[in-house]
Amino acid sequence: GNSVTQMEGPVTLSEEAFLTINCTYTATGYPSLFWYVQYPGEGLQLLLKATKADDKGSNKGFEATYRKETTSFHLEKGSVQVSDSAVYFCALSPTGGGNKLTFGTGTQLKVEL
Amino acid sequence: GAVVSQHPSWVICKSGTSVKIECRSLDFQATTMFWYRQFPKQSLMLMATSNEGSKATYEQGVEKDKFLINHASLTLSTLTVTSAHPEDSSFYICSARKGTSGGAGLPDTQYFGPGTRLTVL
Repeated sequence: GNSVTQMEGPVTLSEEAFLTINCTYTATGYPSLFWYVQYPGEGLQLLLKATKADDKGSNKGFEATYRKETTSFHLEKGSVQVSDSAVYFCALSPTGGGNKLTFGTGTQLKVEL
Repeated sequence: GAVVSQHPSWVICKSGTSVKIECRSLDFQATTMFWYRQFPKQSLMLMATSNEGSKATYEQGVEKDKFLINHASLTLSTLTVTSAHPEDSSFYICSARKGTSGGAGLPDTQYFGPGTRLTVL
C-alpha cells in the first residue's frame, strides 16, 4: 500500500538557520505530493504541492522538489523564522485517487531566537 | 477564506458513553467531508468519507457501527463514537472539501478543522 515516511522531530533550529525536513514515499504510479503545516491550535493548511516528477512546489519561502528517482519530497527553507514553528506533514494522493490523502507522522519544528 | 471548525476541541468521557463531535464548514458548502484519527506520534489515518445526504464510506478496518457519521447538511458533519472505551482515546480531525463532489481532482481543496482530543476514562 501507499505510505509516507518523514523524519522524527522535534527539530530545533535557531532563527535564520537552514531547514530540511526529509520525506520519502512508497506508492505505485505517479502520486501527487503535498506538505501541510499545522500551527498551534489550528487546522492543517496546505503549504505546497507537486503533481509530477521534477516539479518544485514553493510557498512562503519553503520549497520541495518531487524526485521520482529517490521517491522523495524533502521540505527546505533557507532562513527560518520563529513564526515557522509548527508541525509539518508530508502527504501523498495516489494516481487518480482524488481526495484521499496518506500522511506521514508529522515533524515538529521549533525555531528559537 | 475557507474555515472549518470542530466542536468540542477536547472532551473527557466515561467508558461506555457516547460522544458526538461536530465538524462545520463556516464560509463554504462542503458536499464531502473526511474524518481522520491520529494517535500520538503517528500519521493521520483516514477513517471515513462523508457525502451530504448519503451514507458514509468507511475505510477498511473502521467499525461503522462504532463510529457513526452523519452529514445532514452542506455545512455540518458529525462523528459519534458509540460506547466509547479507553482505546478510542485519540485526536479526531475532520476536513471539508470545497467545491462539488465527484471527479478525480486533487485534494488541495480540502480544509482541515483544528481537531478534537477525546479521552475516555
